[in-house]
Amino acid sequence: GENVEQHPSTLSVQEGDSAVIKCTYSDSASNYFPWYKQELGKGPQLIIDIRSNVGEKKDQRIAVTLNKTAKHFSLHITETQPEDSAVYFCAAGADKLIFGTGTRLQVFP
Amino acid sequence: ETGVTQSPTHLIKTRGQQVTLRCSSQSGHNTVSWYQQALGQGPQFIFQYYREEENGRGNFPPRFSGLQFPNYSSELNVNALELDDSALYLCASSSLAGATGELFFGEGSRLTVL
Repeated sequence: GENVEQHPSTLSVQEGDSAVIKCTYSDSASNYFPWYKQELGKGPQLIIDIRSNVGEKKDQRIAVTLNKTAKHFSLHITETQPEDSAVYFCAAGADKLIFGTGTRLQVFP
Repeated sequence: ETGVTQSPTHLIKTRGQQVTLRCSSQSGHNTVSWYQQALGQGPQFIFQYYREEENGRGNFPPRFSGLQFPNYSSELNVNALELDDSALYLCASSSLAGATGELFFGEGSRLTVL
């Protein structure tokens, strides 16, 4: 069945450093790749997304890259801040969205 | 603009019981998706409703069922509860059916099955 693998499961960085989270998907029909941020006690919130006709997208300190041939996509956060600390989920899909298992990011001041 | 609201926020049931969870979608959204999130895991797709019809289902047994009402609010029903059903149940509304639109999540209903 469809599967999305996400690495690492935990990531600790110093404030100001960069953070990278990587995902791999199995369903070649996937054409939409969003990233969600989930803070404690809240539902996930979309932070950035990319569609299959685009290789890279950037929004201020956040960027996402997509390699459809390799079925890989990645989230890059630059100049991390303590408020970036949360659990991040990648997802992939076409008719239904499959989520990865999440990455707990901790940014230390 | 009112966001997605879910009720109840927490509930405890025993094995074999039935539960109904409720979700009010964001204003203007006609699509509701339900997800199960076990502790430390990513959300798993249960099913989606678009304009009162089921529009896709994940790998969940038939004892997981749902409804969408004319105002686009939705219910998730789970019969014959099992211990493994203990999880956070998330509802998300969107303005696009399928998987290519932004999902707006509620804060979830945390179900504990004893």
